[in-house]
Amino acid sequence: NAGVTQTPKFRILKIGQSMTLQCTQDMNHNYMYWYRQDPGMGLKLIYYSVGAGITDKGEVPNGYNVSRSTTEDFPLRLELAAPSQTSVYFCASIDRGQGTEAFFGQGTRLTVV
Amino acid sequence: AQSVTQLGSHVSVSEGALVLLRCNYSSSVPPYLFWYVQYPNQGLQLLLKYTTGATLVKGINGFEAEFKKSETSFHLTKPSAHMSDAAEYFCAVRQEGTYKYIFGTGTRLKVLA
Repeated sequence: NAGVTQTPKFRILKIGQSMTLQCTQDMNHNYMYWYRQDPGMGLKLIYYSVGAGITDKGEVPNGYNVSRSTTEDFPLRLELAAPSQTSVYFCASIDRGQGTEAFFGQGTRLTVV
Repeated sequence: AQSVTQLGSHVSVSEGALVLLRCNYSSSVPPYLFWYVQYPNQGLQLLLKYTTGATLVKGINGFEAEFKKSETSFHLTKPSAHMSDAAEYFCAVRQEGTYKYIFGTGTRLKVLA
């Protein structure tokens, strides 16, 4: 059971470039989330999804887009990378049916130069 | 709006000493509360959680936390620190009526030999 898998683990982007951070979970969880983590700031919610085809904005959605075509996958898209998007990104999932804890991926460390 | 406050962004303890990491929350209803631990270059993993029932919650690695409604606190403790406890610890609350989670800004624990 792999849990939540994120790819890539590290990436360097140039300003204005685009990329997609991949997240997949094999636990059949309904809810999925994208957070960014900046030093001293904790985790900020970017986008979340309550099921396939349904997404909503979190606290800091500007500059990002998401889609949820399947239960398993929840990719995060950066269209025009900016230095302010340098961060560590975490994907998480929760099973609505039991318990309430979130399972996290290992993170993607993104640097925009 | 619900929020979580972690007092002390850095805490240092000697090996074998008591670990106390503080978390206060704001919520108008009984909250779901969590402590997560993050080791360097890894994702977050659940230490313990409070949902309902017993207010003293035991978690992994000898940690425990007590939910005190009168003090709106959920402090994390461990009787005797071990070098392997050095990590960053996050307190979180589930936002009322949703499956969104609000994280504190984290406390980095350093264990001194």
